[in-house]
Amino acid sequence: AQSVAQPEDQVNVAEGNPLTVKCTYSVSGNPYLFWYVQYPNRGLQFLLKYITGDNLVKGSYGFEAEFNKSQTSFHLKKPSALVSDSALYFCAVREGGYNKLIFGAGTRLAVHP
Amino acid sequence: EPEVTQTPSHQVTQMGQEVILRCVPISNHLYFYWYRQILGQKVEFLVSFYNNEISEKSEIFDDQFSVERPDGSNFTLKIRSTKLEDSAMYFCASSVSGQGPRPQHFGDGTRLSIL
Repeated sequence: AQSVAQPEDQVNVAEGNPLTVKCTYSVSGNPYLFWYVQYPNRGLQFLLKYITGDNLVKGSYGFEAEFNKSQTSFHLKKPSALVSDSALYFCAVREGGYNKLIFGAGTRLAVHP
Repeated sequence: EPEVTQTPSHQVTQMGQEVILRCVPISNHLYFYWYRQILGQKVEFLVSFYNNEISEKSEIFDDQFSVERPDGSNFTLKIRSTKLEDSAMYFCASSVSGQGPRPQHFGDGTRLSIL
């Protein structure tokens, strides 16, 4: 069965420091991996995706994510956090042949000035 | 940038009543989805819709639920005989294609409160 795990409920980072939000996945076929961000009272906003090829993918707002097949991970990263990055972040996987996205539980990112 | 729009933003309904949640997907998208998020829980897939029929559905999407594309722009989720446990945030999404790497784009959601 497909699943996504985000092991941290919350990540706290000081502004200007690098940030990492962790995600691991489980699928039986080839995964398509996504990160979404949710600001208060808003929907899920697409940040970036991994399809194939380069293991480091770049997305919106300076975010990037590193795909690691052997560890079945897709961690979200940013070299220098901003207070405005504070939000709820969701990792999601779609297995080839299926329409649905499977979401992790979400990680709340808090960036402190 | 085109957006998925959902109405209403908040719906309060008495238990046992029917409710219709409305969505306008992005205009050139062909696949449409409903997800829900019960407070404090994960975002869960309900159903996907393509070419005027359901292409995939979850175990949650039982006979109480139905979807429809009544015209060229709207996509609706109907919940019959609502229950307290139907209280959740319901998200509509759309995508250009149904499989593979094209991302799904989400609306801001409808908060459904069943009293």
